[in-house]
Amino acid sequence: DADVTQTPRNRITKTGKRIMLECSQTKGHDRMYWYRQDPGLGLRLIYYSFDVKDINKGEISDGYSVSRQAQAKFSLSLESAIPNQTALYFCATRDTDSPTAEQFFGPGTRLTVL
Amino acid sequence: AQSVTQLGSHVSVSEGALVLLRCNYSSSVPPYLFWYVQYPNQGLQLLLKYTTGATLVKGINGFEAEFKKSETSFHLTKPSAHMSDAAEYFCAVSDRGYSTLTFGKGTMLLVSP
Repeated sequence: DADVTQTPRNRITKTGKRIMLECSQTKGHDRMYWYRQDPGLGLRLIYYSFDVKDINKGEISDGYSVSRQAQAKFSLSLESAIPNQTALYFCATRDTDSPTAEQFFGPGTRLTVL
Repeated sequence: AQSVTQLGSHVSVSEGALVLLRCNYSSSVPPYLFWYVQYPNQGLQLLLKYTTGATLVKGINGFEAEFKKSETSFHLTKPSAHMSDAAEYFCAVSDRGYSTLTFGKGTMLLVSP
């Protein structure tokens, strides 16, 4: 089984709808991250969490919210989806606070907002 | 603020040719540098990283990168490209005080027979 899983893998929704993307991990890591990937823009950090009580905004948090339900689960919500939130979303985890530590990525969720 | 610049959104090589993907960084202190690869329909995985010590870093699948402080560069190379190397490659930087990564915009490597 994959260490970092994301559900759903693909989602099409309409403008104004609320949507939640979920991330689960079995790696036992405290640190979890949400990124979005857009063609030609690379990955940009939306939110990150160092533990269940520590949530931090990233570079592009406007229009998004997150919930860390447990060490293993970190959800990303779009309260009212808009077309420019169409992107590929990745969850990632990291096991230590060391800036040299590797991040482990999930397979991604492709979101389309019509 | 730290940042990375990847020169070339697409690089095309023939199978067996040298692969060179360029990355330059901007940081007020010597950074930690990473190369990640994304194969089609997959998440990113770590190729290699530079932390301290030896400036030539070897990674998986025959890739290596050299940290050059004087040029603020961390270019990725592979002597002989394989078809299976076709993917998108991302350079990333981690400042010494933080647990977040800043990614470049990515370079798509195309390998032709």
